[in-house]
Amino acid sequence: SQELEQSPQSLIVQEGKNLTINCTSSKTLYGLYWYKQKYGEGLIFLMMLQKGGEEKSHEKITAKLDEKKQQSSLHITASQPSHAGIYLCGADIHGAQKLVFGQGTRLTINP
Amino acid sequence: DADVTQTPRNRITKTGKRIMLECSQTKGHDRMYWYRQDPGLGLRLIYYSFDVKDINKGEISDGYSVSRQAQAKFSLSLESAIPNQTALYFCATSDSTRQGLGEQFFGPGTRLTVL
Repeated sequence: SQELEQSPQSLIVQEGKNLTINCTSSKTLYGLYWYKQKYGEGLIFLMMLQKGGEEKSHEKITAKLDEKKQQSSLHITASQPSHAGIYLCGADIHGAQKLVFGQGTRLTINP
Repeated sequence: DADVTQTPRNRITKTGKRIMLECSQTKGHDRMYWYRQDPGLGLRLIYYSFDVKDINKGEISDGYSVSRQAQAKFSLSLESAIPNQTALYFCATSDSTRQGLGEQFFGPGTRLTVL
């Protein structure tokens, strides 16, 4: 089973709508990283969260790490076609200085 | 020029062949990683290296080997390729002096098909 579970696995939204992607772990997250991937290409770093309750924003994307540091959410406001892609969360859940990734969420934006 | 490069970008090979995937970086990072991506499974860590003399197995190292030839170069070998090693392979780098694990910088990926 996945150590990091992302939900949903696939999401189709109409352009202009808001959406949320979740990343959940049964263990404490020692740092949570969000990446975006265009289909078949490399990953692009979006944000890093380390402290419980931390929230960061970049343009129309906001990420939060819950107080217990076991779940993170990525929220996109007023979605645009450029937001389409695969979103992956990665976290150090073993304190072992390496990342474990969720299975990814494929986001499609319909005009 | 790209900071993290991978060669080849695409490769089709036959079962039993030896394959080497290469990764080079110009970021001056000490840490390098190899991942594979399969549909629905996200990225899984194959091997990682925290410096030239430090090589560690990841969660799916069986059937793979690596070589860290220099700080800037990290190659992944499949000694005898099998069809279930068909996947998209990514190299990544990070800087150990950054807070936490630091951001990882990914190469463009190598699409490997084993027939």
